[in-house]
Amino acid sequence: SAVISQKPSRDICQRGTSLTIQCQVDSQVTMMFWYRQQPGQSLTLIATANQGSEATYESGFVIDKFPISRPNLTFSTLTVSNMSPEDSSIYLCSVEVSDRRSSYNEQFFGPGTRLTVL
Amino acid sequence: DAKTTQPPSMDCAEGRAANLPCNHSTISGNEYVYWYRQIHSQGPQYIIHGLKNNETNEMASLIITEDRKSSTLILPHATLRDTAVYYCIVSTLGRLYFGRGTQLTVWP
Repeated sequence: SAVISQKPSRDICQRGTSLTIQCQVDSQVTMMFWYRQQPGQSLTLIATANQGSEATYESGFVIDKFPISRPNLTFSTLTVSNMSPEDSSIYLCSVEVSDRRSSYNEQFFGPGTRLTVL
Repeated sequence: DAKTTQPPSMDCAEGRAANLPCNHSTISGNEYVYWYRQIHSQGPQYIIHGLKNNETNEMASLIITEDRKSSTLILPHATLRDTAVYYCIVSTLGRLYFGRGTQLTVWP
């Protein structure tokens, strides 16, 4: 398993500002992901955070709006840039952990960061 | 994009089995079927996964049809703490594309 922490747990921000969310995991992992969950909606994958290279973004998400860093195998940050009220969401990071008993890699999620943009 | 279809909501009496269906008619040969659940205000929690064969663990059982176009998650003895949104996901390479899921409500 993996224990994931996110900072901040919640924040209220002004329109036009940026917020950086941190994700820390208690073990080295290869794959880390960032998701967004808008109010009343399901989770949407934003990007895969690649260690040592640029993140891989899903359709509809761009690096200028959601820059991601992955300096090592236990840490990643997601920045929400030039925020607008439409960016109000819960942002979650997840990590993929190998199950040595099988070929499956289980994915664990952090507690999320609840962002409100005024 | 989500490749699964689930009923938006289901009810189940406490102590009874909860059977949650999922259609994934466009699943490809190397894609697994995953089930996660999300209890209110928490991050999603892994339940079970499968490729072709039926699977069982301490939480649930997963029944996959022979043509792999649909599956059923079974919670054998539902409790009030099983009230959550249940997501059926088909994917490979670690990227999970969530659909809208099924809101399961377990009542006493």
